[in-house]
Amino acid sequence: QVQLVESGGGVVQPGGSLRLSCATSGFTFSNYGIQWVRQGPGKGLEWVAFIRYDGSNKYYADSVKGRFTISRDDSKNTVYLQMNSLRPEDTALYYCAKASGGYCTGGSCYSDFWGQGTLVTVSS
Amino acid sequence: DIVMTQSPDSLAVSLGERATINCKSSQSVLYSSNNNNYLAWYQQKPGQPPKLLIYWASTRESGVPDRFSGSGSGTDFTLTISSLQAADVAVYYCQQYFSSPQTFGQGTRVEIK
Repeated sequence: QVQLVESGGGVVQPGGSLRLSCATSGFTFSNYGIQWVRQGPGKGLEWVAFIRYDGSNKYYADSVKGRFTISRDDSKNTVYLQMNSLRPEDTALYYCAKASGGYCTGGSCYSDFWGQGTLVTVSS
Repeated sequence: DIVMTQSPDSLAVSLGERATINCKSSQSVLYSSNNNNYLAWYQQKPGQPPKLLIYWASTRESGVPDRFSGSGSGTDFTLTISSLQAADVAVYYCQQYFSSPQTFGQGTRVEIK
């Protein structure tokens, strides 16, 4: 069955860095895009970043552009989210999700499978 | 960015009764060349990730009970739960994937009356 497992969350000071990982299984990883979606405490869903099936294109929300970098390692069926210059407003539960397709024009797809999420807290 | 607005923010419905959630987009999410509405619905239960219910506005995801249905086109959409069950207590989100960035509604909380 399809599984996505996030890791790497934790508590970090403002201005710090974290790298999140999303390990996947149960589907042909190299055929699908993967995205990150976050949910602030008691808040709704906010799309963060998307990477195409072949890593050729990456898309970011304006709120994280220039600070976050998404990447993938097909040999490990894993996607990463490098988060730099973290701010208190980045505090959230970060989900990785399998996109419905590999291409997703502009990084816009629905997500058919989600991980359980990893919590990032940015606080001094 | 396309703004997605759901109504109501919350609703309480008796077991076995119908629940209706509305979602309005600030611009059309209908792609005329393929006549598809780029609109999805998710269910999120407490402590769980979102679960895909509906995509292309009205296509039910595999394994989703048929009491869940989606309708609408252009800018106005509806998620209907035909006969509310206790297991349906959750927050429901609509999402547009017509243009970047994809955006979500604020969520609608469904409870039992």
